[in-house]
Amino acid sequence: RKEVEQDPGPFNVPEGATVAFNCTYSNSASQSFFWYRQDCRKEPKLLMSVYSSGNEDGRFTAQLNRASQYISLLIRDSKLSDSATYLCVVNIKSWGKLQFGAGTQVVVTP
Amino acid sequence: NAGVTQTPKFQVLKTGQSMTLQCAQDMNHNSMYWYRQDPGMGLRLIYYSASEGTTDKGEVPNGYNVSRLNKREFSLRLESAAPSQTSVYFCASSLQGARNEQYFGPGTRLTVT
Repeated sequence: RKEVEQDPGPFNVPEGATVAFNCTYSNSASQSFFWYRQDCRKEPKLLMSVYSSGNEDGRFTAQLNRASQYISLLIRDSKLSDSATYLCVVNIKSWGKLQFGAGTQVVVTP
Repeated sequence: NAGVTQTPKFQVLKTGQSMTLQCAQDMNHNSMYWYRQDPGMGLRLIYYSASEGTTDKGEVPNGYNVSRLNKREFSLRLESAAPSQTSVYFCASSLQGARNEQYFGPGTRLTVT
Protein backbone atom coordinates (compact mmCIF):
# COMPACT_ATOMS: atom_id res chain seq x y z
CA ARG A 1 0.00 0.00 0.00
CA LYS A 2 1.32 3.45 -0.87
CA GLU A 3 2.06 5.85 2.00
CA VAL A 4 0.18 8.65 0.26
CA GLU A 5 -2.63 7.97 -2.18
CA GLN A 6 -4.41 10.31 -4.54
CA ASP A 7 -7.07 9.97 -7.20
CA PRO A 8 -5.09 10.60 -10.40
CA GLY A 9 -8.09 12.23 -12.14
CA PRO A 10 -8.33 14.06 -14.38
CA PHE A 11 -10.93 16.27 -12.79
CA ASN A 12 -12.46 18.25 -15.65
CA VAL A 13 -13.84 21.50 -14.25
CA PRO A 14 -15.67 24.31 -16.04
CA GLU A 15 -14.15 27.71 -15.52
CA GLY A 16 -15.71 29.35 -12.48
CA ALA A 17 -16.77 26.08 -10.85
CA THR A 18 -15.55 24.53 -7.62
CA VAL A 19 -13.52 21.36 -7.45
CA ALA A 20 -12.39 19.37 -4.44
CA PHE A 21 -10.30 16.27 -4.02
CA ASN A 22 -8.72 14.29 -1.23
CA CYS A 23 -5.51 12.55 -0.38
CA THR A 24 -5.18 9.72 2.13
CA TYR A 25 -2.08 8.89 4.12
CA SER A 26 -1.29 5.65 5.90
CA ASN A 27 1.02 6.68 8.73
CA SER A 28 -0.83 8.07 11.74
CA ALA A 29 2.42 9.61 12.99
CA SER A 30 2.52 12.02 10.05
CA GLN A 31 3.24 15.50 11.28
CA SER A 32 3.22 18.01 8.45
CA PHE A 33 1.09 18.24 5.37
CA PHE A 34 1.41 20.22 2.17
CA TRP A 35 -0.11 20.70 -1.23
CA TYR A 36 2.31 21.29 -4.09
CA ARG A 37 1.37 22.23 -7.62
CA GLN A 38 3.17 20.86 -10.66
CA ASP A 39 2.63 22.17 -14.17
CA CYS A 40 3.29 19.89 -17.12
CA ARG A 41 6.99 19.05 -17.39
CA LYS A 42 7.88 21.60 -14.72
CA GLU A 43 9.13 21.40 -11.17
CA PRO A 44 6.74 21.16 -8.19
CA LYS A 45 6.06 24.36 -6.28
CA LEU A 46 4.51 24.78 -2.85
CA LEU A 47 0.85 25.78 -3.05
CA MET A 48 0.09 25.79 0.64
CA SER A 49 0.77 24.09 3.93
CA VAL A 50 -2.14 22.36 5.65
CA TYR A 51 -2.84 23.21 9.26
CA SER A 52 -4.83 21.21 11.77
CA SER A 53 -7.64 23.73 11.91
CA GLY A 54 -7.82 24.07 8.13
CA ASN A 55 -6.66 27.10 6.21
CA GLU A 56 -7.45 29.24 3.21
CA ASP A 57 -5.27 31.02 0.74
CA GLY A 58 -7.41 33.05 -1.61
CA ARG A 59 -9.52 30.63 -3.66
CA PHE A 60 -7.82 27.58 -2.14
CA THR A 61 -8.94 25.83 1.04
CA ALA A 62 -7.10 22.95 2.66
CA GLN A 63 -8.46 20.69 5.39
CA LEU A 64 -6.90 18.01 7.54
CA ASN A 65 -8.83 15.11 9.04
CA ARG A 66 -6.48 13.24 11.36
CA ALA A 67 -9.09 10.75 12.52
CA SER A 68 -9.69 9.51 8.98
CA GLN A 69 -6.15 10.29 7.82
CA TYR A 70 -6.86 12.43 4.84
CA ILE A 71 -6.31 15.96 3.63
CA SER A 72 -8.37 17.80 1.10
CA LEU A 73 -7.98 20.69 -1.30
CA LEU A 74 -10.86 22.79 -2.57
CA ILE A 75 -10.50 25.29 -5.39
CA ARG A 76 -13.25 27.89 -5.78
CA ASP A 77 -13.98 29.96 -8.87
CA SER A 78 -11.58 27.87 -10.95
CA LYS A 79 -9.37 29.67 -13.46
CA LEU A 80 -7.82 28.26 -16.61
CA SER A 81 -4.47 28.82 -14.93
CA ASP A 82 -5.43 26.36 -12.18
CA SER A 83 -4.97 23.49 -14.65
CA ALA A 84 -2.12 21.48 -13.17
CA THR A 85 -1.31 18.39 -11.16
CA TYR A 86 -1.71 18.81 -7.41
CA LEU A 87 0.65 16.80 -5.26
CA CYS A 88 -0.22 15.78 -1.73
CA VAL A 89 2.87 15.73 0.46
CA VAL A 90 3.24 14.33 3.95
CA ASN A 91 6.12 14.57 6.39
CA ILE A 92 6.32 11.26 8.24
CA LYS A 93 9.03 12.18 10.68
CA SER A 94 10.08 15.38 12.31
CA TRP A 95 13.11 15.38 10.10
CA GLY A 96 14.03 14.49 6.72
CA LYS A 97 11.67 12.73 4.51
CA LEU A 98 8.65 13.87 2.64
CA GLN A 99 6.30 11.37 1.04
CA PHE A 100 4.74 12.53 -2.20
CA GLY A 101 1.51 11.34 -3.68
CA ALA A 102 1.42 10.66 -7.42
CA GLY A 103 -0.79 13.69 -7.96
CA THR A 104 -4.32 14.64 -8.98
CA GLN A 105 -4.68 16.23 -12.39
CA VAL A 106 -7.10 19.14 -12.71
CA VAL A 107 -8.14 20.46 -16.11
CA VAL A 108 -10.13 23.69 -16.16
CA THR A 109 -12.05 24.21 -19.38
CA PRO A 110 -13.50 27.45 -20.84
CA ASN B 1 18.68 35.09 -7.18
CA ALA B 2 18.48 31.96 -9.35
CA GLY B 3 17.03 29.62 -6.68
CA VAL B 4 17.88 26.00 -7.48
CA THR B 5 19.71 25.27 -10.70
CA GLN B 6 20.38 21.91 -12.29
CA THR B 7 22.55 20.78 -15.16
CA PRO B 8 22.10 19.27 -17.63
CA LYS B 9 18.44 19.70 -18.59
CA PHE B 10 18.45 16.66 -20.86
CA GLN B 11 20.77 13.68 -21.18
CA VAL B 12 20.81 10.44 -23.10
CA LEU B 13 23.13 7.69 -21.89
CA LYS B 14 23.90 4.20 -23.01
CA THR B 15 23.67 1.36 -20.53
CA GLY B 16 26.82 1.21 -18.46
CA GLN B 17 27.86 4.81 -18.97
CA SER B 18 28.35 7.11 -15.99
CA MET B 19 27.42 10.70 -15.41
CA THR B 20 27.00 13.31 -12.70
CA LEU B 21 23.98 15.54 -12.30
CA GLN B 22 24.83 18.90 -10.83
CA CYS B 23 22.67 20.96 -8.48
CA ALA B 24 23.30 24.31 -6.83
CA GLN B 25 21.22 26.66 -4.69
CA ASP B 26 21.84 30.26 -3.78
CA MET B 27 19.32 30.61 -0.94
CA ASN B 28 21.72 29.67 1.85
CA HIS B 29 19.67 26.57 2.57
CA ASN B 30 21.05 23.87 4.83
CA SER B 31 19.17 20.84 3.44
CA MET B 32 19.28 19.47 -0.08
CA TYR B 33 17.57 16.52 -1.78
CA TRP B 34 17.57 14.42 -4.91
CA TYR B 35 14.31 12.92 -6.17
CA ARG B 36 13.27 10.95 -9.20
CA GLN B 37 9.82 11.16 -10.77
CA ASP B 38 8.34 8.40 -12.88
CA PRO B 39 4.92 8.29 -14.57
CA GLY B 40 2.13 7.32 -12.19
CA MET B 41 4.38 7.54 -9.15
CA GLY B 42 5.07 10.29 -6.72
CA LEU B 43 8.48 11.82 -6.35
CA ARG B 44 10.76 9.35 -4.64
CA LEU B 45 13.68 10.44 -2.53
CA ILE B 46 17.03 9.08 -3.68
CA TYR B 47 19.43 10.79 -1.23
CA TYR B 48 19.35 13.83 0.98
CA SER B 49 21.75 16.02 2.86
CA ALA B 50 20.47 17.48 6.11
CA SER B 51 23.38 19.88 6.30
CA GLU B 52 26.76 20.46 4.78
CA GLY B 53 28.96 17.46 5.40
CA THR B 54 26.19 14.89 5.84
CA THR B 55 24.35 12.66 3.39
CA ASP B 56 21.79 9.91 3.92
CA LYS B 57 19.97 7.39 1.81
CA GLY B 58 16.39 7.94 0.86
CA GLU B 59 13.82 5.53 -0.48
CA VAL B 60 15.58 4.45 -3.69
CA PRO B 61 19.38 4.91 -3.32
CA ASN B 62 20.60 1.84 -5.21
CA GLY B 63 22.68 2.70 -8.27
CA TYR B 64 23.37 6.26 -7.13
CA ASN B 65 25.95 8.17 -5.13
CA VAL B 66 25.94 11.75 -3.94
CA SER B 67 28.37 14.40 -2.84
CA ARG B 68 27.57 17.49 -0.81
CA LEU B 69 30.47 19.51 -2.17
CA ASN B 70 29.75 22.58 -0.05
CA LYS B 71 26.67 24.31 1.30
CA ARG B 72 25.57 25.35 -2.18
CA GLU B 73 26.18 22.22 -4.23
CA PHE B 74 24.83 18.68 -4.12
CA SER B 75 25.65 16.32 -6.97
CA LEU B 76 24.16 12.96 -7.95
CA ARG B 77 26.27 10.35 -9.72
CA LEU B 78 25.18 7.35 -11.72
CA GLU B 79 28.18 5.04 -11.88
CA SER B 80 26.79 2.54 -14.39
CA ALA B 81 23.52 3.68 -15.90
CA ALA B 82 20.69 1.20 -16.40
CA PRO B 83 17.44 1.59 -18.39
CA SER B 84 15.53 1.49 -15.08
CA GLN B 85 17.17 4.82 -14.24
CA THR B 86 15.37 6.53 -17.09
CA SER B 87 13.45 9.23 -15.25
CA VAL B 88 13.13 12.90 -14.46
CA TYR B 89 15.47 13.93 -11.66
CA PHE B 90 14.73 16.87 -9.42
CA CYS B 91 17.03 18.52 -6.95
CA ALA B 92 15.46 20.45 -4.09
CA SER B 93 16.56 22.48 -1.10
CA SER B 94 14.98 23.69 2.12
CA LEU B 95 16.08 25.98 4.89
CA GLN B 96 16.29 23.13 7.39
CA GLY B 97 14.65 19.77 7.07
CA ALA B 98 11.30 18.59 5.83
CA ARG B 99 9.19 21.03 7.87
CA ASN B 100 10.21 23.89 5.62
CA GLU B 101 9.11 24.51 2.08
CA GLN B 102 11.20 22.68 -0.48
CA TYR B 103 12.30 24.59 -3.56
CA PHE B 104 12.86 22.51 -6.65
CA GLY B 105 15.17 22.88 -9.59
CA PRO B 106 13.83 22.60 -13.17
CA GLY B 107 14.72 18.92 -13.46
CA THR B 108 16.95 16.74 -15.61
CA ARG B 109 15.30 14.42 -18.12
CA LEU B 110 17.50 11.35 -18.38
CA THR B 111 17.06 8.53 -20.87
CA VAL B 112 19.17 5.39 -20.65
CA THR B 113 19.12 3.21 -23.76
